[in-house]
Amino acid sequence: DAEITQSPRHKITETGRQVTLACHQTWNHNNMFWYRQDLGHGLRLIHYSYGVHDTNKGEVSDGYSVSRSNTEDLPLTLESAASSQTSVYFCASSETTGTYGYTFGSGTRLTVV
Amino acid sequence: GEDVEQSLFLSVREGDSSVINCTYTDSSSTYLYWYKQEPGAGLQLLTYIFSNMDMKQDQRLTVLLNKKDKHLSLRIADTQTGDSAIYFCAESKGNKLVFGAGTILRVKS
Repeated sequence: DAEITQSPRHKITETGRQVTLACHQTWNHNNMFWYRQDLGHGLRLIHYSYGVHDTNKGEVSDGYSVSRSNTEDLPLTLESAASSQTSVYFCASSETTGTYGYTFGSGTRLTVV
Repeated sequence: GEDVEQSLFLSVREGDSSVINCTYTDSSSTYLYWYKQEPGAGLQLLTYIFSNMDMKQDQRLTVLLNKKDKHLSLRIADTQTGDSAIYFCAESKGNKLVFGAGTILRVKS
């Protein structure tokens, strides 16, 4: 069965370290997205990609980067982790038409200490 | 993005109906969605409605869409304890979805 997986599920890192969160989907979806979820803010879009070598900034992209070298993967990198980036991160993918919305991963809980 | 607004909390008794409301801003949104998030899990698509529809029913779920007022609602009939979760409304903007902050539904037995 097709799926979207995120790793790790939990991560604790120190301020200033570079961290990469993985997202892998086997739906063959062109569109992939990264969101962070914080209490009181719901889901906020960090970065997104509409295909290989395409990346775009979302509303809260500062301090984050992504790259899309193949259809299946969209890793999210925190260049220099800050305590404000402690959050739950969700990856999602969708068909190009967007008819059926997103398929979400199970999330990565990141704590920056 | 807070273009989509939802009330933050709803408490109901088991067996009652739940109604979760949402207002959105983009009248050109083609689809509107309801997602459910259980504790410690990702979001699961519950249902969606095409913008040219007024209502969609799927078992215990009824979605009502008022395009004039940009108002979307989700009714859950015979609410069960397993329905306790966070419910997110989302509107489509091109290939992106914009989510509300989520409504926490608490079901009391």
